[in-house]
Amino acid sequence: DQQVKQNSPSLSVQEGRISILNCDYTNSMFDYFLWYKKYPAEGPTFLISISSIKDKNEDGRFTVFLNKSAKHLSLHIVPSQPGDSAVYFCAASDRPTSGTYKYIFGTGTRLKVLA
Amino acid sequence: GAGVSQSPSNKVTEKGKDVELRCDPISGHTALYWYRQSLGQGLEFLIYFQGNSAPDKSGLPSDRFSAERTGGSVSTLTIQRTQQEDSAVYLCASSWGTSGIDTQYFGPGTRLTVL
Repeated sequence: DQQVKQNSPSLSVQEGRISILNCDYTNSMFDYFLWYKKYPAEGPTFLISISSIKDKNEDGRFTVFLNKSAKHLSLHIVPSQPGDSAVYFCAASDRPTSGTYKYIFGTGTRLKVLA
Repeated sequence: GAGVSQSPSNKVTEKGKDVELRCDPISGHTALYWYRQSLGQGLEFLIYFQGNSAPDKSGLPSDRFSAERTGGSVSTLTIQRTQQEDSAVYLCASSWGTSGIDTQYFGPGTRLTVL
């Protein structure tokens, strides 16, 4: 039972354009979400997070949007750069409510930014 | 070092042999996590440590898997009688272990190949 889903395994975007990566979840108790970026042969790197009390969080070129009613979040990268090419993982946690410490990860979306 | 380190970076073993994977967390981080990523899959939670105790072992796939943590620092994940389905990248993460939002920081992983 996949509680966190990233339905697009890959995405190609032209340099300078917007990249939109999507993530859906099924557990309404999730109240903290994160995006990680992973380059080959490296561990995932924390990118940006959002609490369920917010619907948007912005950090430079990266913005995460949360739609709780739709159980959907998205990561926007504007403008996209070739160095953004990586696998992006969406993760969720219900720790503040359940005390469970693990993250639940999606299967990842491979982003390729074309120069 | 500044980040989470793991050793070895690669491990090739024969089916039926035991393996030990090591994780050095960020200094001062009390929480430590093991995940694994099989080919084409997301990150799968294995076990969580707070200090030297493991309050959540729910992700360990079988009794062939065990982990320990000593001195509130280094952790070792042991897989006994390895099987081909154990082939994956094993990732370690650490965090401050504080209440509320507690971002996990990952090491580069150990790629395990069971022949």
